[in-house]
Amino acid sequence: SAVISQKPSRDICQRGTSLTIQCQVDSQVTMMFWYRQQPGQSLTLIATANQGSEATYESGFVIDKFPISRPNLTFSTLTVSNMSPEDSSIYLCSVDMGVRGYTFGSGTRLTVV
Amino acid sequence: QQPVQSPQAVILREGEDAVINCSSSKALYSVHWYRQKHGEAPVFLMILLKGGEQKGHDKISASFNEKKQQSSLYLTASQLSYSGTYFCGTETSNFGNEKLTFGTGTRLTIIP
Repeated sequence: SAVISQKPSRDICQRGTSLTIQCQVDSQVTMMFWYRQQPGQSLTLIATANQGSEATYESGFVIDKFPISRPNLTFSTLTVSNMSPEDSSIYLCSVDMGVRGYTFGSGTRLTVV
Repeated sequence: QQPVQSPQAVILREGEDAVINCSSSKALYSVHWYRQKHGEAPVFLMILLKGGEQKGHDKISASFNEKKQQSSLYLTASQLSYSGTYFCGTETSNFGNEKLTFGTGTRLTIIP
């Protein structure tokens, strides 16, 4: 299955600033997914990133707040913009490996102070 | 809508068996199962496809009843390493733009 390198692994940020999270996959994939996991909760899909097209956002998530880039088939970034303490969470990227399930990056633990 | 899992949490002694259930309000094409240990990313366990199959490896197996839109994960003779939070993930079709929706989660604690 694919290996995903995600960074940073954690960060503490001031409110009002932005953080960009990067994910590098060791193979070419059509779609990459960005999830958010709040402490003790399940995973919530933020958006689906396709190479060469705009990302598709889920209800409750907007491009201005979570802009996504997908410049090629192995890389994607998610930016959390104008952060507030409510954005404190774990952010995970993932790829669909078909019958081998989804593979996840190691996650970015974000704390906004 | 998010699939609902039951129980929310369970504590077992080593060697005991557990069943975790996942129920969806939508017709399903597939069900995934993942285990997540504290501070780590979810790890894929298995996938069950439409057709009412049962799968398993080692002492962990699962069933999928597509008519009832339910899946169950069975852990037998539990080991300490089984501790973690288990999530089901569901897909409603096999179209290329399908997304995985995760269930509410079940926290499993195995004690010696």
